[in-house]
Amino acid sequence: GQSLEQPSEVTAVEGAIVQINCTYQTSGFYGLSWYQQHDGGAPTFLSYNALDGLEETGRFSSFLSRSDSYGYLLLQELQMKDSASYFCAVRAPYQAGTALIFGKGTTLSVSS
Amino acid sequence: KAGVTQTPRYLIKTRGQQVTLSCSPISGHRSVSWYQQTPGQGLQFLFEYFSETQRNKGNFPGRFSGRQFSNSRSEMNVSTLELGDSALYLCASSLAGTGLSGANVLTFGAGSRLTVL
Repeated sequence: GQSLEQPSEVTAVEGAIVQINCTYQTSGFYGLSWYQQHDGGAPTFLSYNALDGLEETGRFSSFLSRSDSYGYLLLQELQMKDSASYFCAVRAPYQAGTALIFGKGTTLSVSS
Repeated sequence: KAGVTQTPRYLIKTRGQQVTLSCSPISGHRSVSWYQQTPGQGLQFLFEYFSETQRNKGNFPGRFSGRQFSNSRSEMNVSTLELGDSALYLCASSLAGTGLSGANVLTFGAGSRLTVL
């Protein structure tokens, strides 16, 4: 089966840096993605890693280590608007093809 | 360009009834996926369709079914509703293929929130 583990909750203050970890166990691997979902909103795509290393997009960075089946999302210069749920997702073999399998999400609370 | 449109946004049903949810993907996106979201369970994969063919189905009972039309619009149906089917049902579309611009980048609709009484 496929499984992804990420912390359920993380708290931080404005201006700080926070790292959300994700470990995965899948029978195959075609990339790790991160999505953000605000309360009452739709998940939105943040980043994607197919190869090992760090991908940077503004204040957000995502890291992948395929040998460790591990990745993380790094959020810098936190703002109140970053309070949301963050999901890691792995595209993995599934039946006849592949499917994007999501973790249960990490709720980030940013306080002033 | 228009985003992913899901209808209806909210609906209330009673146990034993059936429901049909609709999803219109972004123009040009041929792949449509459906997910069930419940508190604490994240997004559970339901189906993935491409060119009117179901490519994959998640671990859900046969009461959950879906289809995709030639214009890439998709519907999902849940029959004999149970209380546990209360959830937010999310549809997402993507470009076919692999890579950053492909199957790993999903654009989600706002969802259809189903309440079963």
